[in-house]
Amino acid sequence: SQTIHQWPATLVQPVGSPLSLECTVEGTSNPNLYWYRQAAGRGLQLLFYSVGIGQISSEVPQNLSASRPQDRQFILSSKKLLLSDSGFYLCAGREVGSPLHFGNGTRLTVT
Amino acid sequence: KQEVTQIPAALSVPEGENLVLNCSFTDSAIYNLQWFRQDPGKGLTSLLLIQSSQREQTSGRLNASLDKSSGRSTLYIAASQPGDSATYLCAVAPMEYGNKLVFGAGTILRVKS
Repeated sequence: SQTIHQWPATLVQPVGSPLSLECTVEGTSNPNLYWYRQAAGRGLQLLFYSVGIGQISSEVPQNLSASRPQDRQFILSSKKLLLSDSGFYLCAGREVGSPLHFGNGTRLTVT
Repeated sequence: KQEVTQIPAALSVPEGENLVLNCSFTDSAIYNLQWFRQDPGKGLTSLLLIQSSQREQTSGRLNASLDKSSGRSTLYIAASQPGDSATYLCAVAPMEYGNKLVFGAGTILRVKS
């Protein structure tokens, strides 16, 4: 079955520093991949999704970017973090028509 | 635009009760509907996926139904246990943009021992 690996689990970064969160997928090929952000007490916000290598769709204009250098690798980046980038970041993936599976998330605190 | 609503927002029940969580969606043109569970500080765990052609799915003490024409789904939890305490979310895959799921805000469930 499909497994989503995401790291690190927690991260504290100063304002203005760069960010790189990595997500890898096991147990499937050519999945759709997603980055979500969940603010405290709020719902899931879709940030980016990808249907294939190098194909990225951005849902919310912001300080973040995403890349998919390999079929089962999805990276979330920022050149300069803002305080408002703090949140819980979740990577997810699925084959079309199959259940969406999530990683364990990264708790990012920007100080 | 597809919208997903979950009622109630929070629910507290004594252990052993059977309970129903509700999910409604505004556009019946969906590929499927999925129920998730989220424990505090954790990612989402997939519970059940119902394809648009199906009426229900069962897994252990969980049963999810789908009435696409009325835009409703229910998650039935039998004989609730304290370990069932979590936030439950539903999400639909709209035909309009099937690559992107639309999530409800979730129902926070507390099962008291």
